[in-house]
Amino acid sequence: DIQMTQSPSTLSASVGDRVTITCRASQNINSWLAWYQQRPGKAPNLLIYKASILKSGVPSRFSGSQSGTEFSLTISSLQPDDSATYYCQQYKSDYSFGQGTKLEMK
Amino acid sequence: QVQLVESGGGLVKPGGSLRLSCAASGFTFSDHYMSWIRQAPGKGLEWISYISNSGYSTDYADSLKGRFTISRDNARKLLYLEMNSLRAEDTAVYYCARDRELDFWGQGTLVTVSS
Repeated sequence: DIQMTQSPSTLSASVGDRVTITCRASQNINSWLAWYQQRPGKAPNLLIYKASILKSGVPSRFSGSQSGTEFSLTISSLQPDDSATYYCQQYKSDYSFGQGTKLEMK
Repeated sequence: QVQLVESGGGLVKPGGSLRLSCAASGFTFSDHYMSWIRQAPGKGLEWISYISNSGYSTDYADSLKGRFTISRDNARKLLYLEMNSLRAEDTAVYYCARDRELDFWGQGTLVTVSS
């Protein structure tokens, strides 16, 4: 099974900050990685797929990148609406999620 | 617009069974893989199973193989999850989602396993 290790588990940042969340795969997953945002009490929403492709309608301040088996989600200028939990997910072999990163506003 | 609506959740005793449904609309259901994912209270996301667009191919999380069965009815645009031998640790919100990238999700249905 492919394990996804996500960090940090919690993150506190201010409006306008640049924020990066990282996810490491236990083996090669090519670019079969997605990022989701989940607000409390709501279903997750897809932000990025194939490591760096922004889903239509997602603000351009969100971006994804890859270096080998390490993946990053970056929010270029944090907005109050971005307070949520973020998950990575690989879909190369079955599916598996990272543990989540709770992003809070300072 | 794409819509997924889960139903069938509720309170069930340990050892019991439940069948969840997911009604799809707004897209050609038979063209898309579908998945079930769950989230225990206060916990992260856990993938359960996926089924190919035709229904011929399925896969499950290792920890759930043998107790859960995914199926679909393309004519009725319905996705199902049959759950047997339920345990307290199966208590969760159960979501259905579309495609391998899980690009659209339902609102979820709560399953509570308790005596």
